[in-house]
Amino acid sequence: GAVVSQHPSWVICKSGTSVKIECRSLDFQATTMFWYRQFPKQSLMLMATSNEGSKATYEQGVEKDKFLINHASLTLSTLTVTSAHPEDSSFYICSARDLSGVASFYNEQFFGPGTRLTVL
Amino acid sequence: AQSVTQLDSQVPVFEEAPVELRCNYSSSVSVYLFWYVQYPNQGLQLLLKYLSGSTLVKGINGFEAEFNKSQTSFHLRKPSVHISDTAEYFCAVSGTYKYIFGTGTRLKVLA
Repeated sequence: GAVVSQHPSWVICKSGTSVKIECRSLDFQATTMFWYRQFPKQSLMLMATSNEGSKATYEQGVEKDKFLINHASLTLSTLTVTSAHPEDSSFYICSARDLSGVASFYNEQFFGPGTRLTVL
Repeated sequence: AQSVTQLDSQVPVFEEAPVELRCNYSSSVSVYLFWYVQYPNQGLQLLLKYLSGSTLVKGINGFEAEFNKSQTSFHLRKPSVHISDTAEYFCAVSGTYKYIFGTGTRLKVLA
């Protein structure tokens, strides 16, 4: 149980275009999902926290108009990188928090496999 | 606020030798501690987690970690490594709803 998927697993786009990444909880309902960014050979940095049906909370320094997050249902959150530029190239990982009993503790997060974004 | 320090950015070790990857944390509240492994171009795989109880935690792939509250450490160990253990290892702490990750340790197992 507690499987999180991401789609696509990798994407290449041209500079100036927008890219949407999906994060799905497959076998549980996720009231909260998290989006992380990982640059090559670096750690994961939390970008934003999204709660189903409400606006996302962005970490300091993350442009909310650049990284649009929608959490429209209990199993799906999307991250849209708008007007992508080469500096947005990164590995994006989502995670989901389950409150229905799969988790070992209240705030346990389950991580997706990541999406590699390359902007040319 | 919580923070995590992984002092070793790289650890080379010969195959079948033991290894210890160090993790220290700071927090003003009780925390949960985790070790994740990440293979190239893949997501995070949970190795083990400490929530409460026994300070020695056993995980997958023969890894174990010991929680030491007085030293605020959660070091990861394996008695005999394999080539396939070559990967990036991340220590993480959660005291609130957020996870804070260390900078990672690259374990390179040499033949």
